[in-house]
Amino acid sequence: SQQGEEDPQALSIQEGENATMNCSYKTSINNLQWYRQNSGRGLVHLILIRSNEREKHSGRLRVTLDTSKKSSSLLITASRAADTASYFCATDDSNSGYALNFGKGTSLLVTP
Amino acid sequence: DGGITQSPKYLFRKEGQNVTLSCEQNLNHDAMYWYRQDPGQGLRLIYYSQIVNDFQKGDIAEGYSVSREKKESFPLTVTSAQKNPTAFYLCASSIDTGRYSYNEQFFGPGTRLTVL
Repeated sequence: SQQGEEDPQALSIQEGENATMNCSYKTSINNLQWYRQNSGRGLVHLILIRSNEREKHSGRLRVTLDTSKKSSSLLITASRAADTASYFCATDDSNSGYALNFGKGTSLLVTP
Repeated sequence: DGGITQSPKYLFRKEGQNVTLSCEQNLNHDAMYWYRQDPGQGLRLIYYSQIVNDFQKGDIAEGYSVSREKKESFPLTVTSAQKNPTAFYLCASSIDTGRYSYNEQFFGPGTRLTVL
């Protein structure tokens, strides 16, 4: 079942700008992950944040998690054209072998 | 190189035919998953397997079947009972989370199935 829901559905920015995507979910989680998907390709894991963490960094990525609001945000700083992709948040589901529940994603377009 | 592979990349099927999508991993992962992705949508879980010779239905298992005879292989069969099979199919694997505290999933490149 889909639990995460990303916002906005689509985002268009220029190179050098920051991109912020949000994710909301419905039930308790152990962790929340962000994935990236280039058009027609498989997903690539970007970052995982555990339920007891509030913020995490990885290179130009910054993820926050607010479990009280059941929401997370992904910030990409100093964006590049190569960041153009769809970004998905995913939460774990302990009822189904820790398969992931994905949102519909945010489509990011970074123009030169 | 360690990784997860899917074949074929593109697959065309006539209505009424069964087709099998291959998924192989050499990451020594216990858990494997099949997802379906429709245009502009997120991923929906079809089947998952946490151990050899065992698998469970996901949210949209109707019209699909799987097997897990080997740890490294988790083929998906799309049967003629699946009414709308045209989609992008993604296979993934992860370490058994029963023993670890994280469950990052590694994805294959996907198979695009088109019913003619």
